[in-house]
Amino acid sequence: EPEVTQTPSHQVTQMGQEVILRCVPISNHLYFYWYRQILGQKVEFLVSFYNNEISEKSEIFDDQFSVERPDGSNFTLKIRSTKLEDSAMYFCASRVREGVNTEAFFGQGTRLTVV
Amino acid sequence: SQQGEEDPQALSIQEGENATMNCSYKTSINNLQWYRQNSGRGLVHLILIRSNEREKHSGRLRVTLDTSKKSSSLLITASRAADTASYFCATGDFGNEKLTFGTGTRLTIIP
Repeated sequence: EPEVTQTPSHQVTQMGQEVILRCVPISNHLYFYWYRQILGQKVEFLVSFYNNEISEKSEIFDDQFSVERPDGSNFTLKIRSTKLEDSAMYFCASRVREGVNTEAFFGQGTRLTVV
Repeated sequence: SQQGEEDPQALSIQEGENATMNCSYKTSINNLQWYRQNSGRGLVHLILIRSNEREKHSGRLRVTLDTSKKSSSLLITASRAADTASYFCATGDFGNEKLTFGTGTRLTIIP
């Protein structure tokens, strides 16, 4: 069964460093998302991406963050100059666009720890 | 209350019993989805109910949606130990259908 894959599963980085979280969405999906979940808190929307551009972003998604689809399969989230409060589980999700009301499929997440 | 709040926050039941979790939301929605999350793991999609639907079944899962009350419930029948997890409702908005998640219900099934 097709699935969203994320790498790495766990990343530890020093404060101030840049990290890139990688995702391979399901191949025929057209909408891509990043969410994050700080330990013990809600899953929060960060950004949605469609047709090679950001379609919507939350207040959390400031200039520190960027997304890219460098080729036909990968979807990346870059966090520049990481802060301690960026420590969270980051989830990638994808969805088929044709027909509304379609479910979003999530990856297993990348646990980012900023030290 | 916030968009997408589940209650109870935690629920412990004996294996074989039914588990009911509720979700309330505040704004108009396009659909409502339920997800399961095992401890520290990814989100597994369980079921999607459209705003014009009132009830939906999938295996041991039954979901209801009352748009007039802005609430939904998830019923898991004949619970099993493997159902132990956190359950989240998420409302899908119009357009991008980004999801707004609730606070979750931590379900523990006691063997």
